[in-house]
Amino acid sequence: AQRVTQPEKLLSVFKGAPVELKCNYSYSGSPELFWYVQYSRQRLQLLLRHISRESIKGFTADLNKGETSFHLKKPFAQEEDSAMYYCALSGSGSARQLTFGSGTQLTVLP
Amino acid sequence: NAGVMQNPRHLVRRRGQEARLRCSPMKGHSHVYWYRQLPEEGLKFMVYLQKENIIDESGMPKERFSAEFPKEGPSILRIQQVVRGDSAAYFCASSPPGQIKEAFFGQGTRLTVV
Repeated sequence: AQRVTQPEKLLSVFKGAPVELKCNYSYSGSPELFWYVQYSRQRLQLLLRHISRESIKGFTADLNKGETSFHLKKPFAQEEDSAMYYCALSGSGSARQLTFGSGTQLTVLP
Repeated sequence: NAGVMQNPRHLVRRRGQEARLRCSPMKGHSHVYWYRQLPEEGLKFMVYLQKENIIDESGMPKERFSAEFPKEGPSILRIQQVVRGDSAAYFCASSPPGQIKEAFFGQGTRLTVV
């Protein structure tokens, strides 16, 4: 079975401070990990995926297979980063569906 | 490309009525996924469909819920005899054929059962 855990429901940081949103997963095969973001009143959209190894809007995430983690990080948070963030896992083979964590509401304070 | 379109955005039904939720995938996308989000919870997978086929319905409740994705027209998630516990946001996502790993989401339908 695949499972994604986001231990923090709410996270508040001040503008300019570093931010880390935690994500741990459980999957027996080789998963693909994603971060999705939902800004207020907007649809869920892909932020980044681990296979791309990219930085989007200053965010990065590294897949740590030893710790089964995929934490999302940004060195200097901005107020416009305030949103709901979901970590998601896609299994291999026919398990194409995404398994989501319960989400972390990030608030960046001025 | 208008993106994934879901309608209605809001749906109110009395207990015992039927709810029909529609999802038009992005142009060129032949894979559709339905997710449900209960209050204070994350998105939970319900069903994965390709045109005219249900590929994985492991997340669908065994009774009252059904989904289809016909050759022509939108995907439909149908809930018969709704109960208060069905109140939730229902999200549809679509992805193109091939090595599918990214899904594009609609804005969701918020179902309220009164």
